[in-house]
Amino acid sequence: QVQLVESGGGVVQPGGSLRLSCAASGFIFRTYGMHWVRQAPDKGLEWVAVIWYDGSNKYYADSVKGRFTISRDNSKNTLYLQMNSLRVEDTAVYYCARETSSGYVFDYWGQGTLVTVSS
Amino acid sequence: QSALTQPRSVSGSPGQSITISCAGTSSDVGGYNFVSWYQQHPDKAPKVMIYDVNKRPSGVPDRFSGSKSGNTASLTISGLQAEDEADYYCCSYAGSSWVFGGGTKLTVL
Repeated sequence: QVQLVESGGGVVQPGGSLRLSCAASGFIFRTYGMHWVRQAPDKGLEWVAVIWYDGSNKYYADSVKGRFTISRDNSKNTLYLQMNSLRVEDTAVYYCARETSSGYVFDYWGQGTLVTVSS
Repeated sequence: QSALTQPRSVSGSPGQSITISCAGTSSDVGGYNFVSWYQQHPDKAPKVMIYDVNKRPSGVPDRFSGSKSGNTASLTISGLQAEDEADYYCCSYAGSSWVFGGGTKLTVL
């Protein structure tokens, strides 16, 4: 069965960096686009970034552009999110999500990993 | 990349029907037939209930339906059940990006 397992969350000071990972299994990872979506405490969902199945294209929300980098290693079935220059407002649960083969919708989600940015 | 507009809360009694609206612009909801709806129970990951405006993934009850008119999409849940109580989020493709609504809390009275 499809599984997405995030890791790497934790507490970091403003201005710091963190790298999240998402280990995928149960499907052919290299054939799917992958996303990061976040949810601040008691707030709604916010799309963060997408990477195409082969890593050839990446797009970001304006709120993280220039600070976050999405990447993937198809040989390790793993998705990454490198987060630099972190701000208090980046505090959230970060989910990785698979985009369906037909596109534009997220059909499987991980359980999320919490990132807390605080001094 | 402004969030889509949803009502903060809706409520209904078991067996009744409710509709949740999702207002966007011609750059997102109105420009593409790629609106999806997600159900999220407390401390759980979201689950897709509707995609491509009005399609249901296998396993989602046919009590859930979606539609779109202009820049506004809607999710209708008929025959409300207690387990439908959750937060619901709309989401639209917006041309190399995606945008979510602010979320609607559904209370089953």
